[in-house]
Amino acid sequence: DGGITQSPKYLFRKEGQNVTLSCEQNLNHDAMYWYRQDPGQGLRLIYYSQIVNDFQKGDIAEGYSVSREKKESFPLTVTSAQKNPTAFYLCASSIAPGSSYEQYFGPGTRLTVT
Amino acid sequence: KQEVTQIPAALSVPEGENLVLNCSFTDSAIYNLQWFRQDPGKGLTSLLLIQSSQREQTSGRLNASLDKSSGRSTLYIAASQPGDSATYLCAVKDDYKLSFGAGTTVTVRA
Repeated sequence: DGGITQSPKYLFRKEGQNVTLSCEQNLNHDAMYWYRQDPGQGLRLIYYSQIVNDFQKGDIAEGYSVSREKKESFPLTVTSAQKNPTAFYLCASSIAPGSSYEQYFGPGTRLTVT
Repeated sequence: KQEVTQIPAALSVPEGENLVLNCSFTDSAIYNLQWFRQDPGKGLTSLLLIQSSQREQTSGRLNASLDKSSGRSTLYIAASQPGDSATYLCAVKDDYKLSFGAGTTVTVRA
């Protein structure tokens, strides 16, 4: 089955620790995205990548970092600089970065930092 | 900056009633609009994608309309069922990214 996988489903960390969230897709999509969802709010874009070895900041990139070394993988690191890291994180992909293409979402990772 | 609003935030209806969910956006220069469904603690499932040149899209009991000039979209769900209970999100695409509304949480009572 083609799709997007995110692991783990739940993640718990102590304040001050960096943590990396995994996102893998086998859809052969060029573009990948990371969003953050907080209760009662819409999703907000953290980073996106239009092609391998290239990525751009979204609206709320501070305290996060990404890499795109392989087409199918787009890991997100939540650093200790992120002030409010507890949230639901969603990864998405689309066939190409162009404006017309539909985005498909993974199941999400819920991160809790105490 | 694009602002997307969904009203109401929550809706409860008896089974069989038709659902009408509203989405408004401030900048009409969009490429497309997507409606998503989200179950509690889960990712997003794409329901319908309407390109900016289209007026509506239909899939089974779902119909979505788009009025770009007025910055509005409406999702209609006919003959609602308890399984339709979920949060429905709309998102507009401008250039590279989606801008999301906060969603409408729907409860269909059996």
